[in-house]
Amino acid sequence: NAGVTQTPKFQVLKTGQSMTLQCAQDMNHNSMYWYRQDPGMGLRLIYYSASEGTTDKGEVPNGYNVSRLNKREFSLRLESAAPSQTSVYFCASSEGDRGNSPLHFGNGTRLTVT
Amino acid sequence: RKEVEQDPGPFNVPEGATVAFNCTYSNSASQSFFWYRQDCRKEPKLLMSVYSSGNEDGRFTAQLNRASQYISLLIRDSKLSDSATYLCVVNNEDDKIIFGKGTRLHILP
Repeated sequence: NAGVTQTPKFQVLKTGQSMTLQCAQDMNHNSMYWYRQDPGMGLRLIYYSASEGTTDKGEVPNGYNVSRLNKREFSLRLESAAPSQTSVYFCASSEGDRGNSPLHFGNGTRLTVT
Repeated sequence: RKEVEQDPGPFNVPEGATVAFNCTYSNSASQSFFWYRQDCRKEPKLLMSVYSSGNEDGRFTAQLNRASQYISLLIRDSKLSDSATYLCVVNNEDDKIIFGKGTRLHILP
């Protein structure tokens, strides 16, 4: 099993450009998450999806949209990238309800917005 | 008080020594607790869940103290490969998952 797969691994965008970060899991997990990690800030939740067809805002949702395409896939879209969105983005999944089971993370996407 | 607090370190510990980290949490109704390990420029990976009765996995021991609202991680006979950042994770009764900012550990040869 591949676990949680994220693409791309690296991306450089100019301010105002858009892009979609892709995430897929093959563990048949119900819940999926998008986090960003910045130095000194720790992991911050952007959006999560408790099940297929549902999405909810996390701690820092502004400037992002998500789509839970099916049970396997959960994508994160930046419509108009800003330098403040330079970060490392991690997708994660968990088997059960939020927090009751551990999270499994993808390898991360390093995004730089110039 | 922050929801989840960890000493950021770094802890510089000689190889073979025992090292312990604590993590305090503010919500007394918190339900689930985990320790994750994160290597430099890598994703966090689950190290161990923390159970009320405490649990041990090889050289690693995790404890939960609900009265004082902290969890601990003890690493015995530390190895160079234990060098990493250790993240404390707490789940609250409203299913909110809170990550600590991590404690950096450097094992010195």
